[in-house]
Amino acid sequence: GENVEQHPSTLSVQEGDSAVIKCTYSDSASNYFPWYKQELGKRPQLIIDIRSNVGEKKDQRIAVTLNKTAKHFSLHITETQPEDSAVYFCAASTSTGNQFYFGTGTSLTVIP
Amino acid sequence: EAGVVQSPRYKIIEKKQPVAFWCNPISGHNTLYWYRQNLGQGPELLIRYENEEAVDDSQLPKDRFSAERLKGVDSTLKIQPAELGDSAVYLCASSSASLTQYFGPGTRLLVL
Repeated sequence: GENVEQHPSTLSVQEGDSAVIKCTYSDSASNYFPWYKQELGKRPQLIIDIRSNVGEKKDQRIAVTLNKTAKHFSLHITETQPEDSAVYFCAASTSTGNQFYFGTGTSLTVIP
Repeated sequence: EAGVVQSPRYKIIEKKQPVAFWCNPISGHNTLYWYRQNLGQGPELLIRYENEEAVDDSQLPKDRFSAERLKGVDSTLKIQPAELGDSAVYLCASSSASLTQYFGPGTRLLVL
């Protein structure tokens, strides 16, 4: 099965700086890569996703990059704000299996 | 559009007692997932339904866990008997053909 690894497990940045979270996956058949944000005690919420036919996707301050050859994808948050503080999870999925494998999460703290 | 609904939100039981969780997915979503999320970890899939059929239950501890989705809409997840190690958040999610999974608020289970 798929194995998704996520780094770092914790990340602290100053407000306004950028944050980068990286994930690797093992199954070359994976072709859908979502990122979820989970605030304390709340449900995971999708913030951005990317499919294997593109290398980069951007939505305002959030971007995701995908390197299929190296089997890794990254989340980039620019101009971080205190409300970005949360746990972020990456996931990988195949379109046929429709099954998600989640990373272990990154706890991001944005220091005002 | 209403999101994924779960109940109860919190449950405290003594070990060896039974417990059941209920999920109502987003209208029109054929795929339903049950995940378990331990503290500081990412969600781990327990079972996935396509309509009323369980298509992946390989991670479901079948000696004590059971699930059903009789009419292809609502679903229940049951644990009998519960063990201390079952304490976790149980998340339900649903998706349509787009693969994007939408999570419910979860049921936080504490087994004493």
